[in-house]
Amino acid sequence: DVKVTQSSRYLVKRTGEKVFLECVQDMDHENMFWYRQDPGLGLRLIYFSYDVKMKEKGDIPEGYSVSREKKERFSLILESASTNQTSMYLCASSLAIGTGVEKLFFGSGTQLSVL
Amino acid sequence: GDSVTQMEGPVTLSEEAFLTINCTYTATGYPSLFWYVQYPGEGLQLLLKATKADDKGSNKGFEATYRKETTSFHLEKGSVQVSDSAVYFCALIPNTGNQFYFGTGTSLTVIP
Repeated sequence: DVKVTQSSRYLVKRTGEKVFLECVQDMDHENMFWYRQDPGLGLRLIYFSYDVKMKEKGDIPEGYSVSREKKERFSLILESASTNQTSMYLCASSLAIGTGVEKLFFGSGTQLSVL
Repeated sequence: GDSVTQMEGPVTLSEEAFLTINCTYTATGYPSLFWYVQYPGEGLQLLLKATKADDKGSNKGFEATYRKETTSFHLEKGSVQVSDSAVYFCALIPNTGNQFYFGTGTSLTVIP
């Protein structure tokens, strides 16, 4: 069965800490995405990557960075965590857009609380 | 720009009631349209999709028809069950883009 795995289900960090959220997919997908999900705002795209070492900003990249050194792994980094980054973070992957079989596979999410 | 608007929730229905969740979109050309579902404590999963005008996507008793003339992709189910309680997201991929655009989600609770 296909799988997108996020390293932590729940995470509690302090303001100013550097935070790493890890995501691994086992489907050899080209595309990987990081979203945050907030009540009333739905899913908002933070960053995405369409190839190793490639990245593009989404709608809300401020305060975040990403790393994709290997095809299967996409990391989201909060350089200096702030309370307004408390949220549910969802990782997803897909085949390359334009293949006709576009479909996002999501991980179970990481609920991050910044105190 | 490209966007999706879906009806505000939450929606509460009795078991076996008819469900409609409205979704309209703004996009140039012919986007692909999707409904994703998020069950409690889980990530999102694809429920159904449609890739061209007049296509009907269907799965698990849910249906949605791609209406180009009204730029809509409303989700329907004739008889909901308690197990359908979840958050439903409408989404699109523009035909010239490489990212998904999601609506804000509609929470559905089905009571016995």
